Amino acid sequence: EAAVTQSPRNKVAVTGGKVTLSCNQTNNHNNMYWYRQDTGHGLRLIHYSYGAGSTEKGDIPDGYKASRPSQENFSLILELATPSQTSVYFCASGDAGVYAEQFFGPGTRLTVL
Amino acid sequence: GDSVTQTEGQVTVSESKSLIINCTYSATSIAYPNLFWYVRYPGEGLQLLLKVITAGQKGSSRGFEATYNKETTSFHLQKASVQESDSAVYYCALSDTGTNAYKVIFGKGTHLHVLP
Repeated sequence: EAAVTQSPRNKVAVTGGKVTLSCNQTNNHNNMYWYRQDTGHGLRLIHYSYGAGSTEKGDIPDGYKASRPSQENFSLILELATPSQTSVYFCASGDAGVYAEQFFGPGTRLTVL
Repeated sequence: GDSVTQTEGQVTVSESKSLIINCTYSATSIAYPNLFWYVRYPGEGLQLLLKVITAGQKGSSRGFEATYNKETTSFHLQKASVQESDSAVYYCALSDTGTNAYKVIFGKGTHLHVLP
């Protein structure tokens, strides 16, 4: 059974609208991450979290907020969506250990019109 | 800065033939990087294929191998005989260690298409 799930799997939004992407993990990992992947780029880190109540900025946080209300859940929020945020978004979880293996969800394809 | 460069775009190989996907890295701010290969099958999230944390060591999984070469800053992925089920996107990645291990730098991904 999948340990990291994302919802929705596909989303079409309008420019200026609010979008919330949700992620749930059953791995009991402290760390969770949000990435986006675009053609011609590797995965780029948007926000991450060390545990419930914490959020940290990654490499490309502008235009995004994150929320970690519990160990299991980590949301990515686009308050005012723009077409440049059209992308595939991946959530991941991982232990706080030294080897940094991350476990990924299946991705959410977001299109902002 | 720190970066990963891998074979770009799509690689097409016939079943039972050998495969190499090149990966080189730059770790200017990381003294002892950990190196990884992740794989993403259609409709699924990325999953770890193999990892090597010590220079000079080789990692292997599911018939794939990669050797951590600090001299050439390379971590090429190889398989002697691919199968159609290996068709997927492969990502080379590196991370720091210890408290900075959370930050993983990914390559752009290489789409492997295996012909039956």
